[in-house]
Amino acid sequence: RKEVEQDPGPFNVPEGATVAFNCTYSNSASQSFFWYRQDCRKEPKLLMSVYSSGNEDGRFTAQLNRASQYISLLIRDSKLSDSATYLCVVNRPGTYKYIFGTGTRLKVLA
Amino acid sequence: EAGVVQSPRYKIIEKKQPVAFWCNPISGHNTLYWYLQNLGQGPELLIRYENEEAVDDSQLPKDRFSAERLKGVDSTLKIQPAELGDSAVYLCASSLSSGTDTQYFGPGTRLTVL
Repeated sequence: RKEVEQDPGPFNVPEGATVAFNCTYSNSASQSFFWYRQDCRKEPKLLMSVYSSGNEDGRFTAQLNRASQYISLLIRDSKLSDSATYLCVVNRPGTYKYIFGTGTRLKVLA
Repeated sequence: EAGVVQSPRYKIIEKKQPVAFWCNPISGHNTLYWYLQNLGQGPELLIRYENEEAVDDSQLPKDRFSAERLKGVDSTLKIQPAELGDSAVYLCASSLSSGTDTQYFGPGTRLTVL
């Protein structure tokens, strides 16, 4: 089983739609979780950290489900500019290493 | 504030040639990372520096790859000799320290080995 797994997509959604991605992780002892956004041929940029109680930043909501070992990202009222690849990042316990998922591609259609 | 700077942005070489990538992290960031990203994949860590010390180089193919961060600031990653399979984007990132600090990525160097 991969340490971090994501559905590669693409997820094609119309503008204004709500879309959610999940990311599963294999090590139950992982403590740090992040979502990064990567535009085509650009570098990854931090979108948001994921906290145990869940957190929201505008139209974006991140959740952690420790029992099922996954994190999620919910995007409400999708914009064309949300089109990108969303990378899930999880720490490897006992190290300072962060493992990136393969990313989920989102295409928001006009 | 300037971000992470990398050069060159693009490099095309023939196999068996050497190549070097340079990275200047954000000022004050003690931790520097080199990642490799293949198409359709997430970044994979090659090496992590804390100041000038390589504290995690377990994923660096040491037969052909080398890296240095002599003064604890900028860093160079070298491949000698390059192979066809080395074609990828090489990303440099920095953070204030290891742990949960946000990693800031540079624009990357896109390497094509012919």
